[in-house]
Amino acid sequence: SQTIHQWPATLVQPVGSPLSLECTVEGTSNPNLYWYRQAAGRGLQLLFYSVGIGQISSEVPQNLSASRPQDRQFILSSKKLLLSDSGFYLCAWSEGLAGKETQYFGPGTRLLVL
Amino acid sequence: GDSVTQMEGPVTLSEEAFLTINCTYTATGYPSLFWYVQYPGEGLQLLLKATKADDKGSNKGFEATYRKETTSFHLEKGSVQVSDSAVYFCALSEPGYNKLIFGAGTRLAVHP
Repeated sequence: SQTIHQWPATLVQPVGSPLSLECTVEGTSNPNLYWYRQAAGRGLQLLFYSVGIGQISSEVPQNLSASRPQDRQFILSSKKLLLSDSGFYLCAWSEGLAGKETQYFGPGTRLLVL
Repeated sequence: GDSVTQMEGPVTLSEEAFLTINCTYTATGYPSLFWYVQYPGEGLQLLLKATKADDKGSNKGFEATYRKETTSFHLEKGSVQVSDSAVYFCALSEPGYNKLIFGAGTRLAVHP
């Protein structure tokens, strides 16, 4: 069966510090991968998605970047965090396009920027 | 552009009460519709989905019917339990597009 891991689970970082959040998927090959952010009391916003190694699509201009160095690894990064980067970050995967395919979410990383 | 609108929460119910969470959508094509649930401190889990008009998705006693004429996908459950307390997200995805568009979420609190 497929599983999706995210770490760390919780992170407190000072403004201006770098960020690296990691997501890995097991039990499937060539998944589509996604990063979402959920701000406090709000819905989910798609940040990035990837259909293959090295292929990244950005949905919202921002202070963050994403990379996919391996088939089942997806990394969310920032060189300098802003207060507004605080939120709950969710990684997800799907087989094929999200149009009809279910997306499966990881447990999330709660980021607090102080 | 495509969008999803959910009823604002929180929704507070007593155990065994009937639940309805309204969801309407705007889409240019024929989207698939989803309900996801987020339990406290956890990520999202797919609750149910429907991929074409008049389809009914169901799972764990929850149901939702894809109504194209009213562009709606309301979530219902006949008798809620305390363990159903969570945030519920309605979402859509257009065929050929690689993303889900989520509503803002509706928090449900069920009291014994």
